[in-house]
Amino acid sequence: AQKITQTQPGMFVQEKEAVTLDCTYDTSDQSYGLFWYKQPSSGEMIFLIYQGSYDEQNATEGRYSLNFQKARKSANLVISASQLGDSAMYFCAMREGGNYGQNFVFGPGTRLSVLP
Amino acid sequence: DTEVTQTPKHLVMGMTNKKSLKCEQHMGHRAMYWYKQKAKKPPELMFVYSYEKLSINESVPSRFSPECPNSSLLNLHLHALQPEDSALYLCASSPEGGTGGAGNTIYFGEGSWLTVV
Repeated sequence: AQKITQTQPGMFVQEKEAVTLDCTYDTSDQSYGLFWYKQPSSGEMIFLIYQGSYDEQNATEGRYSLNFQKARKSANLVISASQLGDSAMYFCAMREGGNYGQNFVFGPGTRLSVLP
Repeated sequence: DTEVTQTPKHLVMGMTNKKSLKCEQHMGHRAMYWYKQKAKKPPELMFVYSYEKLSINESVPSRFSPECPNSSLLNLHLHALQPEDSALYLCASSPEGGTGGAGNTIYFGEGSWLTVV
């Protein structure tokens, strides 16, 4: 079974508007971390934001915020005031405790296109 | 700007060639990774080094040979590749070197685009 689900293969948003990218996850661990990465067409995988399973407040980093709903196992990324440079592939990822690397799982990704 | 540097950015090689991809990080991270990414897919883990020792090999064919000369450098030696090996190869690093932890972020480089002809 997929551990990370991103149900939106592609999304469009108007410049300067906010957009929410969905991510749901599946784990039986109590300790885990949730990550969002941005990948422009150049290929670089850029770390955006992190949320720990024990964090009580939603993470924020500039225009990025993570809407963490633990009971629903969702970790949606909210981008406020979209910019043309936000057009990229966005990956949600989860890391469970224990062996590093092997337990770092990516979702299938969502391609975001920002329209002028 | 990424603190994980990969060279070359683009590489075209024949199926009989021997080439290497190089990766360098100066963040003091003790774990380094190679990922392979095909078009429109998420990255797939290939190898993990911890404290300069290979700790995870995800059943990667032997035509891919990793090497970690020191804590800052990671190489991927390529030999007798197939056209289906054409992909984006991403190097990454993370702070931990021991058993790891859920909160340790993995930082990626810009990737090396490999084409096998």
